[in-house]
Amino acid sequence: GDSVTQTEGLVTLTEGLPVMLNCTYQSTYSPFLFWYVQHLNEAPKLLLKSFTDNKRPEHQGFHATLHKSSSSFHLQKSSAQLSDSALYYCAPATSSGQKLVFGQGTILKVYL
Amino acid sequence: DMKVTQMPRYLIKRMGENVLLECGQDMSHETMYWYRQDPGLGLQLIYISYDVDSNSEGDIPKGYRVSRKKREHFSLILDSAKTNQTSVYFCASSTYEQYFGPGTRLTVL
Repeated sequence: GDSVTQTEGLVTLTEGLPVMLNCTYQSTYSPFLFWYVQHLNEAPKLLLKSFTDNKRPEHQGFHATLHKSSSSFHLQKSSAQLSDSALYYCAPATSSGQKLVFGQGTILKVYL
Repeated sequence: DMKVTQMPRYLIKRMGENVLLECGQDMSHETMYWYRQDPGLGLQLIYISYDVDSNSEGDIPKGYRVSRKKREHFSLILDSAKTNQTSVYFCASSTYEQYFGPGTRLTVL
């Protein structure tokens, strides 16, 4: 079945350093992928989604590149900000497109 | 403005009591979802609804049931709540991307 792996449960880094959150997926087809961000005591919100035409999605300084050969959709940002501290979910859509597969997520903590 | 609402936001119940969580959306989305979120476990899908009276079990449906009689409303029911159902419950709706409600924090004593 479809699955997602976010290898890091917790990533801590100093403000200004680059961010990379890993995401690999298993699927029987080439799914759309999403990154959701959830700040403390808030609801998850869409951060990025993959495109069908291999464009690199970008939002709020974050970007992610879909590599079908390695089944990866890592999230990156060149310079972390304190406000980036949150829980991040990578979620591939199932073949029907109507269900997302959420893993455990990665907590990002950014310090001064 | 696209919106998913949830009521109540906070709820404390005793073990064995019945619980009703309500969700509404104003986007006329056909598909709606109920998730629960627990530390270290991420978001777990309880039920998915494809439209009125068209509901399917998610990954952890045991102990829950749902009702969808209008497209804009989706209810989650816990008959005889258990302490291990203490969690934060999120409702979502979607056409393509999912929009989440603010969550209901349920405590079962």
